[in-house]
Amino acid sequence: DIQMTQSPSSLSASVGDRVTITCRASQDIANYLAWFQQRPGKAPKSLIYAASNLQSGVPSKFSGSGSGTDFTLTISSLQPEDFATYYCLQYKFHPLTFGGGTTVDVK
Amino acid sequence: EVQLVESGGGLVQPGGSLRLSCAASGFTFSDHYIDWVRQTPGEGLEWLGRAKTKAMGYTTEYAASVAGRFTISRDDSKNSLYLQLNSLRTEDTAVYYCVRMSRSYYFDYWGQGILVTVSS
Repeated sequence: DIQMTQSPSSLSASVGDRVTITCRASQDIANYLAWFQQRPGKAPKSLIYAASNLQSGVPSKFSGSGSGTDFTLTISSLQPEDFATYYCLQYKFHPLTFGGGTTVDVK
Repeated sequence: EVQLVESGGGLVQPGGSLRLSCAASGFTFSDHYIDWVRQTPGEGLEWLGRAKTKAMGYTTEYAASVAGRFTISRDDSKNSLYLQLNSLRTEDTAVYYCVRMSRSYYFDYWGQGILVTVSS
């Protein structure tokens, strides 16, 4: 199975900060990488697909980049609603596998 | 508006069975693959399997961890997806989500999730 390693596992930030989360795949997954946001007690929400494409309705403060094995999710200016846990997912190979998550909390 | 609503969860004893349902609305259900994903506090998010469309022969795919115990099916006439959980173990305790795949084969919409608790 493809291992997806997210870092950091948690980070503390302030409103207005630029935040970057990384996800590394154990082998080349091209651009078959998605990002999700999960607020406490809620279902995950799809943010980005194909490494860098925003899902419909997702604000442009979110951006994704990378290909192959190394990927990043960036939030350009953190807002109160962005404090949440973020997950990456590779969907090139079966079984699909998720990263362990990165929790963004208030500094 | 795309909606996926899971139901059928609850408390079940180890070795027992449960059938989860996912009712879809707001889109042409028969055109889309639908997956099941679960979330546990200890193991995070885990992909369980997929139901493909009629055009793909209603093929199903499973993670090795649940193959042979869990069965995915769909009824396009009812806009519904099902997950039959058999021989349940305490480690199957989780929130179970159905997730729609877009026509370009990436996850786009998630259900709200349903809790399954396996305990004696």
